Amino acid sequence: ETGVTQTPRHLVMGMTNKKSLKCEQHLGHNAMYWYKQSAKKPLELMFVYSLEERVENNSVPSRFSPECPNSSHLFLHLHTLQPEDSALYLCASSHADRAGGELFFGEGSRLTVL
Amino acid sequence: AQKITQTQPGMFVQEKEAVTLDCTYDTSDPSYGLFWYKQPSSGEMIFLIYQGSYDQQNATEGRYSLNFQKARKSANLVISASQLGDSAMYFCAMKHEGGKLIFGQGTELSVKP
Repeated sequence: ETGVTQTPRHLVMGMTNKKSLKCEQHLGHNAMYWYKQSAKKPLELMFVYSLEERVENNSVPSRFSPECPNSSHLFLHLHTLQPEDSALYLCASSHADRAGGELFFGEGSRLTVL
Repeated sequence: AQKITQTQPGMFVQEKEAVTLDCTYDTSDPSYGLFWYKQPSSGEMIFLIYQGSYDQQNATEGRYSLNFQKARKSANLVISASQLGDSAMYFCAMKHEGGKLIFGQGTELSVKP
């Protein structure tokens, strides 16, 4: 059983919809991440939150809006998405200040944009 | 620039045989960690093994071992006695202090009965 839980597991939305992905971790970690995994591509880091502050934003379009209300929860708010945004979105958590702290991943939210 | 390269898009191995998945990396930072993750078709990323840049010995975890050659900047994963359940995507990754983990392109391993 993973310590990182993502909901929903599957989401289908139109380009005009607004939806949110949720991530929750119970591992006592202080860093959380959003990754995007498209078919045939390596995982792309989208956002990093460390101690509830956003420390990384890899040129992600503004139609993706992260929110980290506390060290255990992370959201990804979605609005006016494009079909090319269809992908598996993976949340992860870790200890922020260690090179050796592995990331623990959730099972992902598979998003389809129609 | 930091970079991870996996040159094998797909690999086949016979059940019970050993297989090596290649990974090379590039970094100018002396302190870093190297990771291997397994991603079955269900999607979750499962942590397999970790090697620190200052570790003197190669990491081992059950049937997984990491062949760490620092001078060559390679961190190959060796899976011994392959099982059908080992069929999955395998990702090599690197992390520096500060928590940014970058991934290679992945290798799809298929274990044949």
